[in-house]
Amino acid sequence: GAGVSQSPRYKVAKRGQDVALRCDPISGHVSLFWYQQALGQGPEFLTYFQNEAQLDKSGLPSDRFFAERPEGSVSTLKIQRTQQEDSAVYLCASSRSGGANIQYFGAGTRLSVL
Amino acid sequence: DQQVKQNSPSLSVQEGRISILNCDYTNSMFDYFLWYKKYPAEGPTFLISISSIKDKNEDGRFTVFLNKSAKHLSLHIVPSQPGDSAVYFCAASASGGSNYKLTFGKGTLLTVNP
Repeated sequence: GAGVSQSPRYKVAKRGQDVALRCDPISGHVSLFWYQQALGQGPEFLTYFQNEAQLDKSGLPSDRFFAERPEGSVSTLKIQRTQQEDSAVYLCASSRSGGANIQYFGAGTRLSVL
Repeated sequence: DQQVKQNSPSLSVQEGRISILNCDYTNSMFDYFLWYKKYPAEGPTFLISISSIKDKNEDGRFTVFLNKSAKHLSLHIVPSQPGDSAVYFCAASASGGSNYKLTFGKGTLLTVNP
């Protein structure tokens, strides 16, 4: 596709429910990133993939958060046993190669945990 | 502690005038800086970037200035247009092994009045 695609755009979950957020990066982009954006804040780094390898997961807030990119293309961010503090916009970005490069963002998934 | 600071939550300018958005950083390892623009319900869109080996980068109506000694950068938009109304995020990455990781400010809401 032309840009980074994320689905669903909006997700409402009951506390304790598991959720899965999908990201389809720009075709051919090697690097993929997940960010979390709380209300009134800038995006915060969660995790980084280069192809299928997860090279950095230092930003994941807890072990309830898990990300994968098994074939080096589509990625899924999974949150288990959601809590209210997980409510945020989850942004996916991709870039052509590794290192310091321009990252292209999707529109995000807005997660609301009730 | 916030390593990238955008101290003005909002800015209002008249169409045709100059908009100046400011950003300060504290991490002396930051060596690549980007500005993103974000419209409501959309993801951040890349605008312009600058490497620390330069002090100015220009692209059409947008110019970014970097003052390394002051750890300060600014984005100038001339002339400002109503379509420029958006939230602007400053982001930075550090040299070294984690140079893929972007650290964002909280953003500045720019309103350009017709």
